[in-house]
Amino acid sequence: DAKTTQPTSMDCAEGRAANLPCNHSTISGNEYVYWYRQIHSQGPQYIIHGLKNNETNEMASLIITEDRKSSTLILPHATLRDTAVYYCIVPSWGGANNLFFGTGTRLTVIP
Amino acid sequence: NAGVTQTPKFQVLKTGQSMTLQCAQDMNHNSMYWYRQDPGMGLRLIYYSASEGTTDKGEVPNGYNVSRLNKREFSLRLESAAPSQTSVYFCASSERGQVTLNSGANVLTFGAGSRLTVL
Repeated sequence: DAKTTQPTSMDCAEGRAANLPCNHSTISGNEYVYWYRQIHSQGPQYIIHGLKNNETNEMASLIITEDRKSSTLILPHATLRDTAVYYCIVPSWGGANNLFFGTGTRLTVIP
Repeated sequence: NAGVTQTPKFQVLKTGQSMTLQCAQDMNHNSMYWYRQDPGMGLRLIYYSASEGTTDKGEVPNGYNVSRLNKREFSLRLESAAPSQTSVYFCASSERGQVTLNSGANVLTFGAGSRLTVL
């Protein structure tokens, strides 16, 4: 799998935008970038994914740099319920269909 | 629409005992997966099944067996539990079957987890 690098932890004030960065400098042309999150003790929850273009859905926006070596997940108006571990994942195709979940970024939304 | 359902939610075993974790999905997904998560760590893939009737090893398959009973169900069996298998186990499913280049994204839906303690 392409290696991803994320900060270990981040804080964000409630109501403000949370910007979570991810580096994936070894990404290949056909590999997607996925973001999942895991709220304490629950199963991971899919947030968003993208290939080349920026993407937005009801949960978040994903900004991918033109060279695709990094991306940023944006939660536009963070709430206390967004406190979770956020995983940036770039899986490899074929074989294992494997999403490698590293240790992610622990986002704490502060009241 | 329940999504991915895992049973049991909690289980305590003694070393050497056997047990099976059950997983079922109602989304007509082709692929199913078993992951484990240890404290402070990310998820590691144990086994996966890209289609009914096929299973493949993931990153940490030793000590486990799986069965893809039908399209809906994918079970994980511990034949002789060890303390090192104390973990939280997550089942997941995805619509795509065997993924090949240029065939698009593969989004996983996870169950709520099964917490296993081996004494």
